[in-house]
Amino acid sequence: QITLKESGPTLVKPTQTLTLTCTFSGFLLSTSGVGVGWMRQPPGKALEWLALVYWDDDKRYSPSLKNRLTITKDTSKNQVVLTLTNMDPVDTATYYCGHLFTSSFGELWDFWGQGALVTVSS
Amino acid sequence: SSELTQDPAVSVALGQTVRITCQGDSLGTYYAAWYQQKPGQAPILVMYGKNKRPSGIPDRFSGTSSGSTASLTITGAQAEDEADYYCTSRDSRGDHWVFGGGTKLTVL
Repeated sequence: QITLKESGPTLVKPTQTLTLTCTFSGFLLSTSGVGVGWMRQPPGKALEWLALVYWDDDKRYSPSLKNRLTITKDTSKNQVVLTLTNMDPVDTATYYCGHLFTSSFGELWDFWGQGALVTVSS
Repeated sequence: SSELTQDPAVSVALGQTVRITCQGDSLGTYYAAWYQQKPGQAPILVMYGKNKRPSGIPDRFSGTSSGSTASLTITGAQAEDEADYYCTSRDSRGDHWVFGGGTKLTVL
């Protein structure tokens, strides 16, 4: 059974760097075709994709945030870490990590963590 | 702005059929996936590919795709289907992911 769980601070100050950790189980990030990524959802708003790391360490970032985002994986710990620099109140959101699965119809996010609400405020 | 367009809100009478649509250029190349999200909960995958339902998703959910439009149909909507529904796919360049703006489904 695949599970993912996000952890990190619930409150950060403007200009600080946010570091979130996704700890997962039920799959190996060293398996071909597998990835782990991050999405976020501001209160009352739509989902937004942020970043993805593949099993081979290929990384993808949202074009609108790529200058502020870094995603890394630690296969031995079954963890993926996301950092977002220069936080602003508009970055207040629930942050989700997700498992990327490669099906015969392409890639899709099939399992998500429960989400972690991060508030940006001084 | 999102590259996938969804109607913000749709309503359906209990037991009736409703279609939720998602439009975007990338859907001519990539399949959409659909997620159901209830208040305070994480999204759940309900449809992907060519009308594929993950295990545990009722068969009243079905999916179709034509050109640049993907659709999620609920045949015989139930009260528990009331939720926000999001579509997603790769973007037109295939390098990134995009989500639609979401459709709030109300079951009357």
